[in-house]
Amino acid sequence: NAGVTQTPKFRVLKTGQSMTLLCAQDMNHEYMYWYRQDPGMGLRLIHYSVGEGTTAKGEVPDGYNVSRLKKQNFLLGLESAAPSQTSVYFCASSYSFLGSNTEAFFGQGTRLTVV
Amino acid sequence: DAKTTQPPSMDCAEGRAANLPCNHSTISGNEYVYWYRQIHSQGPQYIIHGLKNNETNEMASLIITEDRKSSTLILPHATLRDTAVYYCIVRPPIYNQGGKLIFGQGTELSVKP
Repeated sequence: NAGVTQTPKFRVLKTGQSMTLLCAQDMNHEYMYWYRQDPGMGLRLIHYSVGEGTTAKGEVPDGYNVSRLKKQNFLLGLESAAPSQTSVYFCASSYSFLGSNTEAFFGQGTRLTVV
Repeated sequence: DAKTTQPPSMDCAEGRAANLPCNHSTISGNEYVYWYRQIHSQGPQYIIHGLKNNETNEMASLIITEDRKSSTLILPHATLRDTAVYYCIVRPPIYNQGGKLIFGQGTELSVKP
């Protein structure tokens, strides 16, 4: 049981390049989330998904796109990377139990540098 | 989204109880209080959550005031490994926008020998 796995763990991009970050969870969770964390700050929600085939905007969605084609995977795309997108990206997944909230599980992060 | 207010930093002596306060005066009746912590730049780690009642697990206790406008996370016997940033989060029910977690700045807890 791997939990939430993020790929890659580190990446350096040049301005204007594109890339996709992969988040995979093996817990059959319905809900998935992408966050970014800048130095000295808390996590900010980029996009989230409430189920396979659904996505929604979070607090800071500009410059990012997401897809949830399979329940276990949530992809975060940067079409044209900018230095302002240099950050640590975290993915999380969650589920409900009898309609109530439970914990959300986080991955270990992807460190992205855009030069 | 209900906001939380936490002190930016706190110190605690090793072996003592660490009491981390959080204000959430605009919390709605169906919103939960969650606590996470983040050690260095690792992924946030779940600690505990509650709706109305006090909660306890193997890591910590959560005390929620009767009016639910504030809460306290208690680490009963703090160790050096508890040094981290602690986030208090008000989370909507999961059927509401996926129960998205909105993080604030957190409290940086330093446990000292």
